[in-house]
Amino acid sequence: GENVEQHPSTLSVQEGDSAVIKCTYSDSASNYFPWYKQELGKRPQLIIDIRSNVGEKKDQRIAVTLNKTAKHFSLHITETQPEDSAVYFCAASRYNQGGKLIFGQGTELSVKP
Amino acid sequence: DSGVTQTPKHLITATGQRVTLRCSPRSGDLSVYWYQQSLDQGLQFLIQYYNGEERAKGNILERFSAQQFPDLHSELNLSSLELGDSALYFCASSVASEQETQYFGPGTRLLVL
Repeated sequence: GENVEQHPSTLSVQEGDSAVIKCTYSDSASNYFPWYKQELGKRPQLIIDIRSNVGEKKDQRIAVTLNKTAKHFSLHITETQPEDSAVYFCAASRYNQGGKLIFGQGTELSVKP
Repeated sequence: DSGVTQTPKHLITATGQRVTLRCSPRSGDLSVYWYQQSLDQGLQFLIQYYNGEERAKGNILERFSAQQFPDLHSELNLSSLELGDSALYFCASSVASEQETQYFGPGTRLLVL
């Protein structure tokens, strides 16, 4: 069935370093890949998304890359700051299944000052 | 604040009971989604309604049901509650029915004793 694997489950970096989170999806018909950030005790919020017709998308310090052949996509955060500390979720969706999102298990990112 | 509201914030009940969670989407949004977040299962998609009609379904238990009313608010009904139903239940909304940004509400924390 549909599945999204996310690694690592926890990630600790020093402030200013880069962080990379990787996800692999099983459904080859998936074509929409959002990333959500959830701070402790708060709601998930979309930080960036990518569709299958592009290979990379950037928004300031955040970028996402997609490899359709390998069925994996990654989140890259550069120049990390303490406020980047949160749980990050990747998700995948295929067209014509409404907005149904299959989420990865989450990565708890800790940025140490 | 995403503009999505959920009530109640917290709910404590006993096994075997039935509860109703309520969600009001952002103004103008036609889709409502329900997600369950537990420690061991991550974020699980339950169901989506679009303009009053069921649009997509996830692994929602038969004991759970939902509906979207003409004013677009939605209710998630959980019956014959079990200890394992204890979780954070999020509602999200979006403008249309397909792949786009979903705005999450603050969640309802359900504790089944």
